[in-house]
Amino acid sequence: DVKVTQSSRYLVKRTGEKVFLECVQDMDHENMFWYRQDPGLGLRLIYFSYDVKMKEKGDIPEGYSVSREKKERFSLILESASTNQTSMYLCASTSGGARKNIQYFGAGTRLSVL
Amino acid sequence: DAKTTQPTSMDCAEGRAANLPCNHSTISGNEYVYWYRQIHSQGPQYIIHGLKNNETNEMASLIITEDRKSSTLILPHATLRDTAVYYCIVRVSSNTGKLIFGQGTTLQVKP
Repeated sequence: DVKVTQSSRYLVKRTGEKVFLECVQDMDHENMFWYRQDPGLGLRLIYFSYDVKMKEKGDIPEGYSVSREKKERFSLILESASTNQTSMYLCASTSGGARKNIQYFGAGTRLSVL
Repeated sequence: DAKTTQPTSMDCAEGRAANLPCNHSTISGNEYVYWYRQIHSQGPQYIIHGLKNNETNEMASLIITEDRKSSTLILPHATLRDTAVYYCIVRVSSNTGKLIFGQGTTLQVKP
């Protein structure tokens, strides 16, 4: 089974802190994604990456950056956390080819910024 | 635009089959139908997908109508652990690969 592991299930941070959310997948997938999920807004794409050191902005990249130094790891960085970044963060990965649209998600990180 | 319509909520008795409908009347010829579910406070979980033929795996069956305008996800013997929000997805962004989720159906399996 594909496993996508997010480093924390729950995080509490203070406004202005730099926050790192880590995601690791074990299936050698090329593509990785970071979403955030908020009530009434569904899942919104923050950033995605289709290869090591490659990254592309999604729909709501402002206030975030990402890092993909190794194929299996995709990190989301909140440079200076703000209260409006309180949310559920979901990482996903997918292979290329015929199954490229089958995304495997991590369990999520619920971040609270105080 | 999610391009799908699903009932907001459904109930199912434990041990019975759960049939979750989805309308996707504007689906394009090359668009697949994907089903995911999200159990409370967890990430979405892939269930099954299909193009035009019916599909079955260890989790569920997917029945797609001949005109492809609607589909039904079938959980043959629902358990309490199947209580979740079920999403039918036909739109995937060609630029980003992101899945476009609709509002989904909240399935409540009752003892």
